[in-house]
Order: sequence, then structure tokens, then C-alpha cells
Amino acid sequence: EAGVAQSPRYKIIEKRQSVAFWCNPISGHATLYWYQQILGQGPKLLIQFQNNGVVDDSQLPKDRFSAERLKGVDSTLKIQPAKLEDSAVYLCASSINHGTRNEQFFGPGTRLTVL
Amino acid sequence: AQTVTQSQPEMSVQEAETVTLSCTYDTSENNYYLFWYKQPPSRQMILVIRQEAYKQQNATENRFSVNFQKAAKSFSLKISDSQLGDTAMYFCAFMKPAQGGSEKLVFGKGTKLTVNP
Repeated sequence: EAGVAQSPRYKIIEKRQSVAFWCNPISGHATLYWYQQILGQGPKLLIQFQNNGVVDDSQLPKDRFSAERLKGVDSTLKIQPAKLEDSAVYLCASSINHGTRNEQFFGPGTRLTVL
Repeated sequence: AQTVTQSQPEMSVQEAETVTLSCTYDTSENNYYLFWYKQPPSRQMILVIRQEAYKQQNATENRFSVNFQKAAKSFSLKISDSQLGDTAMYFCAFMKPAQGGSEKLVFGKGTKLTVNP
């Protein structure tokens, strides 16, 4: 079974530029998560989708971050414009459902550096 | 809001020895789940072990076991017979069950474990 795929793996941009990340979850997984992991910290949830609907985006900086999950499969996370403090690893995860044994499977992440 | 605290930023252990990583959490919930995730250098995060709060028996997975103390809100991870491949960041995480797919993981800051040959 293929795992969670993310691209690109690395991205370097100048501040105020835009960037987009892509995630393809494990086939059949209804729930998709985007996390931000700043160096030296644990992942922080940015947004959670159930199929193509947003379940939780309370920690998403909506003035600059946006995310979508069209057709309930792939997802993109965009930052526009980027700030220095957005430098982090962006992790995508998916889970099969929201049952009591909700294991999240993580992708390799996209390491973003904002100069 | 729930919080997870890992008080050991870094630890090291000799190969084949045993090491224990600490985790405490704060919640007013009675039913929840606790996890330990492993994140090797430049590799993706994987689940090591899971504990349901309603179960009194501590979870075990091969060389990995937990000491779950619900009253003390403590959830430590013991790694026995440490191997070089255990070198990684280890994250403790909390999840509160919810309706409608709204469960989310709250992570601690992590403990960097180095296994020395």
C-alpha cells in the first residue's frame, strides 16, 4: 500500500512570495490533516478535512494560508505572502476514518525555508 | 485545552540498554487516547505505540512499552534492548475522541534520542 505522498520535498523562497504544497493521502482515507512543524517543536495542526469538507481550521492563519481538498482526495496548502516565521516542515497526514482507533499516517513533509 | 509536556529535550543510551522517555499531559477529559510517535532524521513520522485511557493494562509493542499513570497524567515510553535504528525524535501526543471526524492530535515538543554504539 502506497503511503502519503507530498511534494515538493524542499522549497526555498523569498519573503512575500507565494508557495504551494501538494499532498496525496493513502487511498480510501477520508480524513486529511496539514501540520506545521517548526524546528525544535512538535507538529501543530493547521487544518483538518473530512472528505472535502473542513472540520477544523482554528489554527490556520487565514490571512495568508489557504487549503483545499477538491473531490475529497488530493489537497493543496498555499501560503501567500510568505513570512520568515513560516519557515518550517509542513506535514500532511491521513486516516481512514474518525473511529476510535484513528491512526494517522504521515507523509515525508515539505521543508520550507523563507529568506 | 489539552497540553502535552515532554521535559527531556535530549537523551542518549548505549546500544542494548533500556531507556525511558517521559511525558505528562493536562486534560479534564476522562476518555482519551495517548500516542508515541517516532520521527527518524529526515524520515517520516510513524506510530510507535497507542494507549486507550479506559484500559488499565499498559500497552506493549515488541521492545516498546508504556507506563500509563492516569491519575498522575503520566505516559512514559520504555525502549528495551535499544538499537541504533531507534535514534530519532520521539513525540508524545494526546487525542480526545470527538464526533464528526474532529479528533485532533496535540503533540509535545519531542525528545531527541540518540543510541550510541
